[in-house]
Amino acid sequence: DIQMTQSPSSLSASVGDRVTITCRASQSISNYLNWYQQKPGKAPKLLIYAASNLQSGVPSSFSAGGSGTDFTLTISSLQPEDFATYYCQQTYSTPHSFGQGTKVEIK
Amino acid sequence: QLQLQESGPGLVKPSETLSLTCTVSGGSISSSLYYWGWIRQPPGKGLEWIGSIYYSGNTYYNPSLKSRVTISVDTSKNQLSLKLTSVTAADTAVYYCARQEGATDYMAVWGKGTTVTVSS
Repeated sequence: DIQMTQSPSSLSASVGDRVTITCRASQSISNYLNWYQQKPGKAPKLLIYAASNLQSGVPSSFSAGGSGTDFTLTISSLQPEDFATYYCQQTYSTPHSFGQGTKVEIK
Repeated sequence: QLQLQESGPGLVKPSETLSLTCTVSGGSISSSLYYWGWIRQPPGKGLEWIGSIYYSGNTYYNPSLKSRVTISVDTSKNQLSLKLTSVTAADTAVYYCARQEGATDYMAVWGKGTTVTVSS
């Protein structure tokens, strides 16, 4: 199975800050990497697919990149609605494993 | 607009079988474009992919659950189902269904989730 490791596990930031979350795969997954945002009590929401493609309707303040084993999700200017938990997921091979999540909290 | 709705018992006894249904509305489960998946999330923890199914019945399972899990599809009812046998407290979670699409099987459409508690 492919292991996905996110860092950091949590972070505190202020509105307007630039935030970057890292996701590392235990083996190369090409660009088979998706990012989700989850708020308490809600289903995850797709932000990014295929490593760098912004899902329709997602603000352009979100961007992502990477290939192979190392990936990043960046929020260029943190907004109040962005405080949530973020997950990466690899779909290169089954099981389609998720990272452990990164909780973005208000400083 | 595609909608997914999970349903099933909210409480299951240990050693029994958990059975959930996901009803698809606003679209066909028989589309050749998609797989349909189940994902779960224990309280306060992260997401775990359980498995997925194609309308033809082709399935993929998480090896950690493979011996206990069965995912099936009923195209006449536009539903997919999840059965998990011999449950324990560790199977207590919110269970989601979602549509897998695109080259990277991303999940853009999710159900709201249903909470299942395993307890006597």
